[in-house]
Amino acid sequence: DAKTTQPPSMDCAEGRAANLPCNHSTISGNEYVYWYRQIHSQGPQYIIHGLKNNETNEMASLIITEDRKSSTLILPHATLRDTAVYYCIVRVAGGGGSQGNLIFGKGTKLSVKP
Amino acid sequence: SAVISQKPSRDICQRGTSLTIQCQVDSQVTMMFWYRQQPGQSLTLIATANQGSEATYESGFVIDKFPISRPNLTFSTLTVSNMSPEDSSIYLCSVGPFFGAEAFFGQGTRLTVV
Repeated sequence: DAKTTQPPSMDCAEGRAANLPCNHSTISGNEYVYWYRQIHSQGPQYIIHGLKNNETNEMASLIITEDRKSSTLILPHATLRDTAVYYCIVRVAGGGGSQGNLIFGKGTKLSVKP
Repeated sequence: SAVISQKPSRDICQRGTSLTIQCQVDSQVTMMFWYRQQPGQSLTLIATANQGSEATYESGFVIDKFPISRPNLTFSTLTVSNMSPEDSSIYLCSVGPFFGAEAFFGQGTRLTVV
């Protein structure tokens, strides 16, 4: 089973910030938080990941609480093309053995509206 | 980064037949993953394919139904055997994550069994 809990759906106005929450209360000290998104009819796309510090890249920002039990993905200026299902995943860093695969939960369906 | 080409992108098949899906990666990778995404659902891992050894299947998936080949470090195939309408899904191959970096996915094969 997935180790994360996300709201099933969210709406966001175009141009506004989209804040997508994720609960991962059982996260271990060596597990990272990853975010992927899946636009309709495409394979999942990596967005960002982090361990305990906040992270930012050209796509989004990731805010992780101090106790690491929850996080928020922020899309600063959502566009219609950001409409997708967003998946929050926790996993151990490293590519070996069964740890290489990703366990997907149900994700959050984000709808960006004009 | 890695670019993954998956073929076919979609197919409509008769029940009782088999379909082989191909996954080509533009770089050498040790592990490749095959996922299934049933209509309206999240991704579920089918198996992990290592070059030079038999694939490792997740609970609920068996080799007779989903045989996998991994002849070299850049290529893998997944066969969906003796298909029924319940096998109608999107099948995706994936590589990575690599030591904390992102995973890459093919665009998926949309299979409809009639």
